[in-house]
Amino acid sequence: AIRMTQSPSSLSASTGDRVTITCRASQGISSYLAWYQQKPGKAPKLLIYAASTLQSGVPSRFSGSGSGTDFTLTISCLQSEDFATYYCQQYYSYPVGFTFGPGTKVDIK
Amino acid sequence: QVQLQESGPGLVKPSETLSLTCAVSGYSISSGYYWGWIRQPPGKGLEWIGSIYHSGSTYYNPSLKSRVTISVDTSKNQFSLKLSSVTAADTAVYYCARHVGIAAPFDYWGQGTLVTVSS
Repeated sequence: AIRMTQSPSSLSASTGDRVTITCRASQGISSYLAWYQQKPGKAPKLLIYAASTLQSGVPSRFSGSGSGTDFTLTISCLQSEDFATYYCQQYYSYPVGFTFGPGTKVDIK
Repeated sequence: QVQLQESGPGLVKPSETLSLTCAVSGYSISSGYYWGWIRQPPGKGLEWIGSIYHSGSTYYNPSLKSRVTISVDTSKNQFSLKLSSVTAADTAVYYCARHVGIAAPFDYWGQGTLVTVSS
């Protein structure tokens, strides 16, 4: 199974900061990678798919990059509503399965 | 607007079968796409359980495959999850979600339902 890791596991930041989260796959997954945002008590929300394509309605301060095994999610100017946990997910290894990273919690400094 | 809503018992006894249903509105399941189940133990990360195509083809997480059955009822526009022989480790929030292709992310999610396994 493809394993996903994320770093850091948590970070503290201030409104207006630029934040970067890294996701690494245990084997190459091309660009079959998505990023989700999850707030407490809510379902995950799709932010980015195909490693760098912004989902409709998602603010342009979110961006994604990478391919193969190494990926990044960047929030260019952190807003108060962006404090949440972020997960990466690979969907390369169909049909045997999708796997998520362990998550990165972004909280207020 | 596509909406998904999970329903089912919030408490299941150990060794019994967990059964959940996801009702879909705003889109006809019979028109296509894939429909999946994901779970999240309290305070932990996300785990894909399995998915079903509108035609009934199923795809399961190998780690759960022996205990999982996902089915679809296009007449009721809903799909269901059964997880047998549950233990406390199966306590989690269970989400249903849609993905537009077998190799596609989950774009619409239900709100989730907490299922606790306890005697």
